[in-house]
Parts: sequence; C-alpha cells; structure tokens
Amino acid sequence: DVKVTQSSRYLVKRTGEKVFLECVQDMDHENMFWYRQDPGLGLRLIYFSYDVKMKEKGDIPEGYSVSREKKERFSLILESASTNQTSMYLCASSPRGGQAGDFGPGTRLLVL
Amino acid sequence: GEDVEQSLFLSVREGDSSVINCTYTDSSSTYLYWYKQEPGAGLQLLTYIFSNMDMKQDQRLTVLLNKKDKHLSLRIADTQTGDSAIYFCAERALTGGGNKLTFGTGTQLKVEL
Repeated sequence: DVKVTQSSRYLVKRTGEKVFLECVQDMDHENMFWYRQDPGLGLRLIYFSYDVKMKEKGDIPEGYSVSREKKERFSLILESASTNQTSMYLCASSPRGGQAGDFGPGTRLLVL
Repeated sequence: GEDVEQSLFLSVREGDSSVINCTYTDSSSTYLYWYKQEPGAGLQLLTYIFSNMDMKQDQRLTVLLNKKDKHLSLRIADTQTGDSAIYFCAERALTGGGNKLTFGTGTQLKVEL
C-alpha cells in the first residue's frame, strides 16, 4: 500500500553541505508539496508543484529550491544547509482539483 | 493572507469527549480538514468538511463548522489512549489556485488513564 515515500527518515548533514530530499508518489497525482514542521509553528509550505517542471513558492521558500522532472518525483534541495534548517520535512501529494494531501512519513533533518 | 490558529495542548481522561478548536481567516475557504499525526509519523487525514456544511459526523468524530465566526471544531467521543497525537486543522482556499493547504500549529492531545 505504498503511496508517498521519502528517501530518508533521518538525515544528519553539516553546515554548508548541499542536501537533497526526495519524495515519490505512486498515485499519479498532479500536485506535490514540501512542508517543514517545527514545534509551535505547525506546517509551513516551502514549495509546491502542480505539474511536471512547474513550481510555485510557498510561504518560506528562502534557502530552498525544488525540482519536478517526473510526475511521480518531487525533490527538495538545500543549496547550502544551515542550522536553522534543522527540522522535520514532510512531502505530500494530491490530485488536481482534489482535496487533501496524502503525506509521506517525513524526514527529520539535523544540520550541525 | 491565510491564518489558521489552534491551541497547543489539550488533556482529557480516557472515555471523555475531546473537543479541539480551530479558527481561520480566509473567507474563500472551500474545504476544511482535520489531520492526525502520531509520534514519528506523517499526517493522516481524519475527516473533512465542505464549507457549505455546518456539521459532519463520522463514527466517533464530529466536525462542526461555524462559517460566520470562521470556527471549526473536532469532537472525539469516548476518547481512547490511541487518540493521543497531534491534530492539525487545515484550510483549502481559492488563493494559490485552490491547490494550497494552510495548516494550523497543531494541538497536542494527551489522553490520561
């Protein structure tokens, strides 16, 4: 019953490293999202994509970029990781015009 | 812009009802959702309500929507220890092409024996 998977559950990186977080969905959804979750702040949208090669900035895109080369895959890139990017990263997907998102299990990233 | 607010904590006794509240600001909201997040896991959709409804019941869950006050609540009847989790409300608004969900801060529900 695989739906949305994320490449890593836990990741430890050093300041300045380039970090790739991968998300894959097998539901043929058009929309894909990257959120970060921090205590007391809930989920904040970083970027989303409503089609292949399309991307839209969310509420907190600074320090991040994304790539959507294939419909099923949405990558989040931290060009130069910083300690304030230590967080839980959640990927989600939804069909076009659909309702809620299906979420992946999350990647907990620690930047030292 | 959109803003969704929730209280951070709620503690109830097993068997009691839990009521988790949420307020939102975007009047163009179309759907409103409740998600559950268990420790170390992603978010699981519990239930949702369309903005032209005022109530939806699904087994132990009752969602109430007061559109005038932009207030949403989730009632869990006969709360069990397995209901301990973080609960997020989210709204889907027409802004952002209707594809964007805005989440609240989450309410940590603790169920005590």
